[in-house]
Amino acid sequence: SAVISQKPSRDICQRGTSLTIQCQVDSQVTMMFWYRQQPGQSLTLIATANQGSEATYESGFVIDKFPISRPNLTFSTLTVSNMSPEDSSIYLCSVVGYRGTYEQYFGPGTRLTVT
Amino acid sequence: GEDVEQSLFLSVREGDSSVINCTYTDSSSTYLYWYKQEPGAGLQLLTYIFSNMDMKQDQRLTVLLNKKDKHLSLRIADTQTGDSAIYFCACGGGADGLTFGKGTHLIIQP
Repeated sequence: SAVISQKPSRDICQRGTSLTIQCQVDSQVTMMFWYRQQPGQSLTLIATANQGSEATYESGFVIDKFPISRPNLTFSTLTVSNMSPEDSSIYLCSVVGYRGTYEQYFGPGTRLTVT
Repeated sequence: GEDVEQSLFLSVREGDSSVINCTYTDSSSTYLYWYKQEPGAGLQLLTYIFSNMDMKQDQRLTVLLNKKDKHLSLRIADTQTGDSAIYFCACGGGADGLTFGKGTHLIIQP
């Protein structure tokens, strides 16, 4: 399966600051996505990270709050901007198209706590 | 949009079979996945099935798909204590993000 790393693995941040989360895959992939898992909840898709163009956001998520970059086929970043305690969640990246497969694999997640 | 429903809890005796059920609304879902999440851990892909299949078996895991009723199930044979986790059903297309159910907590009784 895909080897996906995320940095940082966890962080505690102050209200009003921003945090950038990195996602790195060990091989080129077709698609990369970002999800949020709020405490005790299921996963919600934030956006699709498109290589070479702007990300595609789901309803309820906007670029100003969650800017995303994808400079190449193995790397993406998600920034959580102007954080509030409601942003405390686990943020996960996922990939599709790893070595030609259709499986969707997930990274280990970044646990964010906003105080 | 897509809606995916699962029961929140399932309790089974060790050694019995566990059957976790899932229903979905979007008939255009191409791929249907089962993920496992243990406490404090990430999401582990267990198995998936294409929408044109009825069944898929992989060792102790059997996935059944009823497209007419939009019903998906995961059967775990000979359930062990290590199977204790949250199991998520998720649906989507190959190039699309996934819609997840709320997850089923599988509780194993000794």
